[in-house]
Amino acid sequence: DVKVTQSSRYLVKRTGEKVFLECVQDMDHENMFWYRQDPGLGLRLIYFSYDVKMKEKGDIPEGYSVSREKKERFSLILESASTNQTSMYLCASSDQEDGYTFGSGTRLTVV
Amino acid sequence: GESVGLHLPTLSVQEGDNSIINCAYSNSASDYFIWYKQESGKGPQFIIDIRSNMDKRQGQRVTVLLNKTVKHLSLQIAATQPGDSAVYFCAENMLGTYKYIFGTGTRLKVLA
Repeated sequence: DVKVTQSSRYLVKRTGEKVFLECVQDMDHENMFWYRQDPGLGLRLIYFSYDVKMKEKGDIPEGYSVSREKKERFSLILESASTNQTSMYLCASSDQEDGYTFGSGTRLTVV
Repeated sequence: GESVGLHLPTLSVQEGDNSIINCAYSNSASDYFIWYKQESGKGPQFIIDIRSNMDKRQGQRVTVLLNKTVKHLSLQIAATQPGDSAVYFCAENMLGTYKYIFGTGTRLKVLA
């Protein structure tokens, strides 16, 4: 019954590395989102996509980019990982009528 | 275990008692609201939602109350169980928009 799948639960990367976080949904949703979650700050929107090849910046896009080549897949890219990007990353998808379905999250540590 | 909320407010409740978790939302134009539950190391899970044309909605053991006058949302959990221990947060949305605004959450601890 898995609906939103994030490819990794835990990742450890070095400063300066290019990091790819993958997310796949099987609900045929138009909208997909990437959030990061930090203690005391809640969920902050990085980027979202409302259609294939379409993307919009969220509240904290700096240092990130995204790719949506297929409807079911939304990738988050850290161009050059930094220690302040250590966080829990959550992918979500939705249609227009209901709320988000979240993935299980990827805990990224940048050392 | 993973902590998503080291600095979160915490509600401690005896097993079997009722829990009430509160949320002040930010946008008076928001017309759709959701409560999510997030267990340690997992992604948030949908619990219950409510639209702004309602004041109350009930699910299984959960009730959401909406007070639009003071922009307040609450989640009531009846007969709280150990499995209810988690972080709970609210989300608000304007229908037809993509974005949700999330609260920072409350940690619920159920005492045996």
